[in-house]
This record gives sequence, C-alpha cells and structure tokens, in this order.
Amino acid sequence: GDSVTQMEGPVTLSEEAFLTINCTYTATGYPSLFWYVQYPGEGLQLLLKATKADDKGSNKGFEATYRKETTSFHLEKGSVQVSDSAVYFCALSPNDYKLSFGAGTTVTVRA
Amino acid sequence: KAGVTQTPRYLIKTRGQQVTLSCSPISGHRSVSWYQQTPGQGLQFLFEYFSETQRNKGNFPGRFSGRQFSNSRSEMNVSTLELGDSALYLCASSLEAGNTEAFFGQGTRLTVV
Repeated sequence: GDSVTQMEGPVTLSEEAFLTINCTYTATGYPSLFWYVQYPGEGLQLLLKATKADDKGSNKGFEATYRKETTSFHLEKGSVQVSDSAVYFCALSPNDYKLSFGAGTTVTVRA
Repeated sequence: KAGVTQTPRYLIKTRGQQVTLSCSPISGHRSVSWYQQTPGQGLQFLFEYFSETQRNKGNFPGRFSGRQFSNSRSEMNVSTLELGDSALYLCASSLEAGNTEAFFGQGTRLTVV
C-alpha cells in the first residue's frame, strides 16, 4: 500500500545550521506530497506541498522537491532558528481523499 | 478568518464510557476529516465527511463513528472506550471533497483511564 518513510529523530542542531529531513514514499500513480509541522501543544500546519514531479514547494525558508525517480521529497532549510523546533511530518495523498503520514521527525534547535 | 475549532481541548473518560468530539471547520470549507495521533501508531486517518456524507473511512472498528451537519460542523463519537483510545484527535477541514490542502485544528486530547 501507499506509505511514507522519513528519517528517524530526534535531530538536534545549532542555530544557523543546515537542516535536511529525508522522506521517501511508496505509492501507485502520482501522489501529491506534503510537509506538515507540529509545534508543541498544537495541531498540524501545512508547511509546503508539491503536486507533480519536479515541483518545488517552498515556505518560510523551507524547500522540498518532488523527485519521482528517487521517490523522495526531502525537506531542507539553509539556516534554522530556535523557532523551527517542532515535529515535521512528511505526507502523501495517493488518491485525494486522505493523507498518509510518516512517523514524524522531532527537530530541536539550540541557541 | 477563524481557523478550525475543536472542542473540548482536553477530556478524561473512563473505560466503557462513550465520548463525542466536535469540530467546526473554516468558514466555507465543506470537507472535514478526522485523524488519530498516538505515539505508537502515529497519525492515522479515521474518516472524511463531505456534504453530510461519509466519503471514506479508515481502518478503525465500528466503535468509531462520525457525522456532519448541514453547516459542515462535524462530530465524532467513540463508544465503549478502551485504554488504547487515548490519543490526540485531530480534525482537518478542506474547501472541497478530496482537496488535501487540509487545515488542522489544535486537536482534542482524550485520556481514557
């Protein structure tokens, strides 16, 4: 079935470091891909999305490119801040009725 | 524009009881989906409602049910609560059915004791 695998955390970084969170997927067809972020005590917020191969989603300094050849959608940010500390979820929607999420990666950024 | 509102935020129930959770979607959004989040299983899809009809259902027992009203507000019900039902229940709203640009509420934290 359709599934998402993302790198296990936790990930701890210093401010201004480069962040990469790997995400690969298994799906039939051409799913839409998403990154969601969950801050402590909050629900999920859509961070960025891509709906077709080679699309690049970007928001708040975060980027991810839909790579069909490697079935990947890795999240990157060039210079993280303490406020980026959160849990990040990669997700896919194979047939537009539900989201299938990865296990989440906890990121802690230290000042 | 108000976001997705879930009530209550926190709930403690006893095994065997039933519980009803409420979700008010963003104004103008007609699709509401529910997800269960637990440390062990992560985020799992429960069901989606659109125009007062359940469009899709995840792999959960019949104790989990829901409904949607004409104003798009949705409720989910869990009967005969089990300890394993303790979780964060998240509601997401979308403009139309199948539009997975979903906006999530803050969730209802259910603890079953």
